[in-house]
Amino acid sequence: EDQVTQSPEALRLQEGESSSLNCSYTVSGLRGLFWYRQDPGKGPEFLFTLYSAGEEKEKERLKATLTKKESFLHITAPKPEDSATYLCAVKGSSNTGKLIFGQGTTLQVKP
Amino acid sequence: DTAVSQTPKYLVTQMGNDKSIKCEQNLGHDTMYWYKQDSKKFLKIMFSYNNKELIINETVPNRFSPKSPDKAHLNLHINSLELGDSAVYFCASGIAGGPDEQFFGPGTRLTVL
Repeated sequence: EDQVTQSPEALRLQEGESSSLNCSYTVSGLRGLFWYRQDPGKGPEFLFTLYSAGEEKEKERLKATLTKKESFLHITAPKPEDSATYLCAVKGSSNTGKLIFGQGTTLQVKP
Repeated sequence: DTAVSQTPKYLVTQMGNDKSIKCEQNLGHDTMYWYKQDSKKFLKIMFSYNNKELIINETVPNRFSPKSPDKAHLNLHINSLELGDSAVYFCASGIAGGPDEQFFGPGTRLTVL
């Protein structure tokens, strides 16, 4: 059964304090691993797609990496506006396209 | 220029009532999804339609019935609402057979009293 586990559940950082969020997954035939950002009261906002082990993608202070078992979302010198819940999801080999989500990591960055 | 839109944003109703949530996408995608997000923010797939055909029907009570009049619209009708149905419901769209991302609507917060 496809499964995604994210850690930690919550993370508090000081502004400028870099850290990483973890997403461990088991999936039959990975077609894509996705990172989303969700602000309170809003829908998930797409950040990155990673397709194969060794791939990396960057956007401003965020960098996502992928291995065969996990993905990391590295946050470099975070700012308060980076505070949000970060969701990881995988799409497996079925043609239904459904995403299996982890429970998310809620990040709070204090000034 | 909203990509995926949902109405209403908030829905407060009594137990036993019937309600509907509407979703529309203007991205030209062939597949639309309904996800439920519980109080712990865990997102779980409920249904998916590909070109008006139901392709995913997870373990969801029969009181929930999705309907897709065309590939740009997916509605969710809920009969005999129960307290446990309270959650945030998200519509999403994407391309089922491809590896690409899905785009989510703003969500509908359903509260059953």
